[in-house]
This record gives sequence, C-alpha cells and structure tokens, in this order.
Amino acid sequence: DAGVTQSPTHLIKTRGQQVTLRCSPKSGHDTVSWYQQALGQGPQFIFQYYEEEERQRGNFPDRFSGHQFPNYSSELNVNALLLGDSALYLCASSPGGYRANTGELFFGEGSRLTVL
Amino acid sequence: SQQGEEDPQALSIQEGENATMNCSYKTSINNLQWYRQNSGRGLVHLILIRSNEREKHSGRLRVTLDTSKKSSSLLITASRAADTASYFCATVVSNAGKSTFGDGTTLTVKP
Repeated sequence: DAGVTQSPTHLIKTRGQQVTLRCSPKSGHDTVSWYQQALGQGPQFIFQYYEEEERQRGNFPDRFSGHQFPNYSSELNVNALLLGDSALYLCASSPGGYRANTGELFFGEGSRLTVL
Repeated sequence: SQQGEEDPQALSIQEGENATMNCSYKTSINNLQWYRQNSGRGLVHLILIRSNEREKHSGRLRVTLDTSKKSSSLLITASRAADTASYFCATVVSNAGKSTFGDGTTLTVKP
C-alpha cells in the first residue's frame, strides 16, 4: 500500500520563477492538505482540497494556488517566487471526506524548494 | 499565529531515561495529535487524543490532555537513540478543520 508520494524531492529556482509541486495521496484517501515548513519551524497550513475544490485556506498570498484532480492527486503552484518561499513543502492526505476528517494526517516526505 | 506551542524547544537525555514534552494551545479544540519528524523528512502521526479524553497510551508513549489548562504532554518512556527527532503537537478545532502545528521540541537521545 503506497503512502503519500511527492515530487520532485528537491528543486532549485530563482526569484520570480514559478514552481509546481505534485502529490499523490495514500490509497483510499480523498482529502489533500499542503503545508509549508521553514527551517526550524513547524508546518504552516497553506490549503486543503476535497472533491477538486479548495475547502480551507491558510494565511498565504494568492501566489500560492492549487488543484486537485479526479484521482485525488494534487498540485501546488507558487508564482513569482521570493527568497522567503524557500522551505520544505509537505503534502498530507486523510480519509473520509473533509467533513468526517478527524485531523489525522498522513504526510509525504516533502519537496525541498530552494529559491536563489 | 501558532495555536500550539511546545516546551521545551530542545531536550537532551540519555538512553533509557524518560522524555517529557509539553504543548499549550489557545482555543477550544476537537482533538490534539502528536507527530514525529526525523530531520528533513515527512511527519509521522503518533497518537490522537480527543477533547473528552484525559489520557492515552500507545506502546512507550503516554499522552495527557488537560482542557481546563489548554495543555497536553507527551511522555516517551525508556527512550532509545532511535527516538531522536522533532516532536510536534497539532490541534484541530472542529471536524474537517485544519491541523495547526506548533514549532516542535527537538529531542536528542544519547546512546
């Protein structure tokens, strides 16, 4: 049973560029959340997707956008990259639909983004 | 702003000793969870405690929750070098709510 998979694992971009990160949830999970984790800090909630719609959003600018596909996989897009966007981006999935969600999350290994 | 805050920020103990870390939060919650993260890796869910529960056990882990004080503690008994990691508490305010994480406690267990 494959867990949550993310790609790419590492990437380097320059300021102003755009990046797309991808996530496949754990089998049987239909809700995907994205988190940003800066070095030495806890994960910060970006947004959550269920039934191909953004259900909740954290305090992140519109440069951060996402998408969920019919197979429940998801993408995170960040436009106009800033140096401060350098972080570990974590995808987490959960089962049962977001209304029944207890909050227990299954995380991928993350995508390490470095912005130069 | 962070919902949960862990204390201490860092903890260093010898193998075999117990490790206790604490989490305080600000608003009423539906449940609280503890996660573990090895350096630069994804987080792994350890245990979930609901707001109407006071204590839960899982193997060498013991979690307590005091909703009147808005605090929780995670006890790892008989620690091992392999327990070296960062530990995060996360709170969920309502069903379907997002999980809000603190900044974690970094635990080092010396062999």
